Amino acid sequence: DTGVSQDPRHKITKRGQNVTFRCDPISEHNRLYWYRQTLGQGPEFLTYFQNEAQLEKSRLLSDRFSAERPKGSFSTLEIQRTEQGDSAMYLCASSLMGRGGTDTQYFGPGTRLTVL
Amino acid sequence: KQEVTQIPAALSVPEGENLVLNCSFTDSAIYNLQWFRQDPGKGLTSLLLIQSSQREQTSGRLNASLDKSSGRSTLYIAASQPGDSATYLCAVRTGANSKLTFGKGITLSVRP
Repeated sequence: DTGVSQDPRHKITKRGQNVTFRCDPISEHNRLYWYRQTLGQGPEFLTYFQNEAQLEKSRLLSDRFSAERPKGSFSTLEIQRTEQGDSAMYLCASSLMGRGGTDTQYFGPGTRLTVL
Repeated sequence: KQEVTQIPAALSVPEGENLVLNCSFTDSAIYNLQWFRQDPGKGLTSLLLIQSSQREQTSGRLNASLDKSSGRSTLYIAASQPGDSATYLCAVRTGANSKLTFGKGITLSVRP
């Protein structure tokens, strides 16, 4: 396992369409995080999972956003009825908490979303 | 609410110079602090993580220090190289909350 992977790397969609992103964490990691980054800004936290449980959601995560991690492995982030303001880089990270892990977060390459 | 500040936003130095990147945070009750590197259009690469009980961490030419009482961390880069050109982000994890709060980053350019 070489690291966190995300798919797709780029997504262009029209306003109002639904999009879904996938994140595959490092295999033994029990925590998975989603962040959003816009140009010139640091990443902003969206949500995180420990195993399959979603433990925290940011106020940034409106009701158009939903995230799942059904079997405690990969995760999906869906945006419904996309808006131009959703255009950003969506970053996924994973970490190992407990079992000797330090909860260091390792990031994937990101999915760049452009909403036309 | 934790706020993380990195000033200046951009820095340009000649190759070979030793440099310090600064990070400040408002809530000193942190769990750990992490420094990342980000190349244009790419994800983040973890450079160093400092636990709240630690004062510094070193990896190769990089040294990160932490002063919780003053709400500051510095990333020291020795003998800078053009390949060090990137954006450097500081992120803080506060208390038991697992999310990271990031600064906006410092874009470093090392001139050959």
